Amino acid sequence: GQQVMQIPQYQHVQEGEDFTTYCNSSTTLSNIQWYKQRPGGHPVFLIQLVKSGEVKKQKRLTFQFGEAKKNSSLHITATQTTDVGTYFCAGLTDSNYQLIWGAGTKLIIKP
Amino acid sequence: DTGVSQNPRHKITKRGQNVTFRCDPISEHNRLYWYRQTLGQGPEFLTYFQNEAQLEKSRLLSDRFSAERPKGSFSTLEIQRTEQGDSAMYLCASSFGGASGGTDTQYFGPGTRLTVL
Repeated sequence: GQQVMQIPQYQHVQEGEDFTTYCNSSTTLSNIQWYKQRPGGHPVFLIQLVKSGEVKKQKRLTFQFGEAKKNSSLHITATQTTDVGTYFCAGLTDSNYQLIWGAGTKLIIKP
Repeated sequence: DTGVSQNPRHKITKRGQNVTFRCDPISEHNRLYWYRQTLGQGPEFLTYFQNEAQLEKSRLLSDRFSAERPKGSFSTLEIQRTEQGDSAMYLCASSFGGASGGTDTQYFGPGTRLTVL
């Protein structure tokens, strides 16, 4: 079936270091969405990418959608303690019009 | 509209009892999703509705679980004969999606935390 693979599962960084999570789909996506879930909270929508090769920025966060619309990445520059949480990607396909979720990458700031 | 709401926020029950949760979606959204999430894991899809029709149900969902969305607005999720393994956060999300348009961007409620003793 259709799958969205997300790596890594965890990433430990020192505050101020960069963080990146990657998603790869088995099929071409019509769009990809990113969500953030803080500890104890619920997933919150961050952004959506629709166009091939699209790059969007939100302050220190940079989101990319691959040329083939099968992969995406989220990069955080100079992480802060407020960035802690789990970041999920979710892809929409034209076949079922339903989001397929990645397993998430947990960002942990080393004390 | 203030977003997706869920009630109750917490539920503690004894094994074997039935429980029912309610979700009120964002009013203009046609889709409503139920997910289950355990500590350290991502949301696990349970079922979803488009308007009042239940379009998909996870194969992982046992017959003890049932969901309804009778008028295409709020939804209920019932778990019969609860087991300790049912302890989890139950999340509801709503979206606008489907073949006619919409990107299925999902807006989540705060969840109902179920503890089965």
